Amino acid sequence: DTEVTQTPKHLVMGMTNKKSLKCEQHMGHRAMYWYKQKAKKPPELMFVYSYEKLSINESVPSRFSPECPNSSLLNLHLHALQPEDSALYLCASSQAGLAATGELFFGEGSRLTVL
Amino acid sequence: SQQGEEDPQALSIQEGENATMNCSYKTSINNLQWYRQNSGRGLVHLILIRSNEREKHSGRLRVTLDTSKKSSSLLITASRAADTASYFCATDPTGTASKLTFGTGTRLQVTL
Repeated sequence: DTEVTQTPKHLVMGMTNKKSLKCEQHMGHRAMYWYKQKAKKPPELMFVYSYEKLSINESVPSRFSPECPNSSLLNLHLHALQPEDSALYLCASSQAGLAATGELFFGEGSRLTVL
Repeated sequence: SQQGEEDPQALSIQEGENATMNCSYKTSINNLQWYRQNSGRGLVHLILIRSNEREKHSGRLRVTLDTSKKSSSLLITASRAADTASYFCATDPTGTASKLTFGTGTRLQVTL
């Protein structure tokens, strides 16, 4: 099984809502990532979890809150978002490497629209 | 900010022609990777080249890496309409594990 599954595929939320994006992989990967991608732009790294611990936070606003409940799951909790947060949110996983990053496996993304 | 800058930003070719995309980056790397993204979809890994490698092949793909110039190129030979997608280079900087950073991307259009 070489899939990364993201739910929901589409999400529309108001600025006062609280919602969550979910990501699941069963490849035994111990590194998991959240990337944000705006239209016609490259993915931008948000968070990295390594062995269920947050290892990288790229100065993401606190209205985005990541969570890694176990080695297969990664959540991104959303609260009080702004319209400019509308984007495609991509989850990825890889073998955890101490010295170098290997191939990333991406999910299909969750397209978020903030009204 | 992005680690890699790619050119061209967009490329339109006919089926059967070769497509070449270039990537330049700024700092030392462990490896450089190329990914493909169909419109609005997830990214798919194409090839990884380590900093001590100069050239790598995978099917119709050929990647070169010149660490002295901090640049890489991706060549797709005998392109097909199904190759239409955006292509991104991604660099794994030394000293910071798991911080894969994507370049600006090249949008490739292959017409029949």
